[in-house]
Amino acid sequence: EVQLVESGGGVVRPGGSLRLSCEASGFIFDDHGMSWVRQAPGKGLEWVSGLIWNGDSTAYIDSVKGRFTISRDNAKNSLYLQMNSLRAEDTAIYYCARGYAVAGLYYFDYWGQGTLVTVSS
Amino acid sequence: DIQMSQSPASLSASVGDRVTITCRASQNIATSYLNWYQQKPRQAPKLLIYAASNLYSGVPSRFSGSGSKTDFTLTISSLQPEDFGTYYCQQSFSAPATFGQGTKVDIK
Repeated sequence: EVQLVESGGGVVRPGGSLRLSCEASGFIFDDHGMSWVRQAPGKGLEWVSGLIWNGDSTAYIDSVKGRFTISRDNAKNSLYLQMNSLRAEDTAIYYCARGYAVAGLYYFDYWGQGTLVTVSS
Repeated sequence: DIQMSQSPASLSASVGDRVTITCRASQNIATSYLNWYQQKPRQAPKLLIYAASNLYSGVPSRFSGSGSKTDFTLTISSLQPEDFGTYYCQQSFSAPATFGQGTKVDIK
């Protein structure tokens, strides 16, 4: 059974940092690109960042470029999101999702349960 | 970025009704780069349809997708009580991947 389990969310002050983790199981982790997708309270879905199977190619939405860093450790079947210089508008549930490609069709076929990040003073 | 627009924003329908949700892209995204998801309250989204018209494994056959270029449709042929929730389209034709704003479906 495929499972994605996020951790690392919490309350942080504006300008602070958090590191999210996603532990994967039930599939060959390094066969797949991975993404982070977020959802602000009461709002829709927003893709944040993705990386290919070996981490050599990464991508971000403009609003987090230079502040967030996505990475993975295939030996640990884990995905990470380092979030620095956090802003109130980064407040959201952050989902780990399987799926990402530099080009061509991709979709998010498995999702974690999400971890809540709240940026507030 | 490619903008995805869904209509309607919300709808209320009866069990057994045929329900159609439309998704429009701000530019041509061909046929294969459009996916649909269902999200229920306090749950993660679930993939329903990929590449515009392909039913994902385990998804009931009452769900179907169609369309190409800029206009796409998700159809529920006979609405069931468990189909309540919010439905999102998503494109992967051009980075960054973008989602529609969602269509909330209620059961009358």
